[in-house]
Amino acid sequence: EAGVAQSPRYKIIEKRQSVAFWCNPISGHATLYWYQQILGQGPKLLIQFQNNGVVDDSQLPKDRFSAERLKGVDSTLKIQPAKLEDSAVYLCASSPGQQTNTGELFFGEGSRLTVL
Amino acid sequence: DQQVKQNSPSLSVQEGRISILNCDYTNSMFDYFLWYKKYPAEGPTFLISISSIKDKNEDGRFTVFLNKSAKHLSLHIVPSQPGDSAVYFCAAGEYSGGGADGLTFGKGTHLIIQP
Repeated sequence: EAGVAQSPRYKIIEKRQSVAFWCNPISGHATLYWYQQILGQGPKLLIQFQNNGVVDDSQLPKDRFSAERLKGVDSTLKIQPAKLEDSAVYLCASSPGQQTNTGELFFGEGSRLTVL
Repeated sequence: DQQVKQNSPSLSVQEGRISILNCDYTNSMFDYFLWYKKYPAEGPTFLISISSIKDKNEDGRFTVFLNKSAKHLSLHIVPSQPGDSAVYFCAAGEYSGGGADGLTFGKGTHLIIQP
């Protein structure tokens, strides 16, 4: 079974530029999450989708971040304009969408963003 | 307000000995707790979990203990092996609407296994 796919793995941009990250979850997983992990911190939830609807975006900085999951499968996270403090690893995760024994989320390898 | 806390940024343990990683939480509504392991340049991978209605779960060398009254959980690794060197994240979550909400993570503990 293929895991969660993310691209690009690495991106370097200058502040005020824009960037987009793509995620393809595990086949059949209804729930998709975007997390931000700043160096030395734990992952922080930015947005959660259930199919193509937003369940929780309370921690998404909506003045510069946006995310969509139009067909309920893959998803794009965009930052525009980027700030220095956006430098982080952006992790995508998915889960089956119904109650499981473990509550496990399956993570991709992440997209590392450096803002200069 | 940090709901999940890992107060030890790093831990060094000799190979073959027991590693004990600790985690505290503040939200009594959490339904389950997980430990994730992360190697550099990779995403977190699931290690072991425990439901809030249990106090112990064991899987091979890994055991997680939950003390609900103290809002504390710990991960025991016995015996520790060099491949266990990684960052370990404690995470917690709630069930709602039939599905799993996003997890809340601690800051992680860097475990170093010394030969």
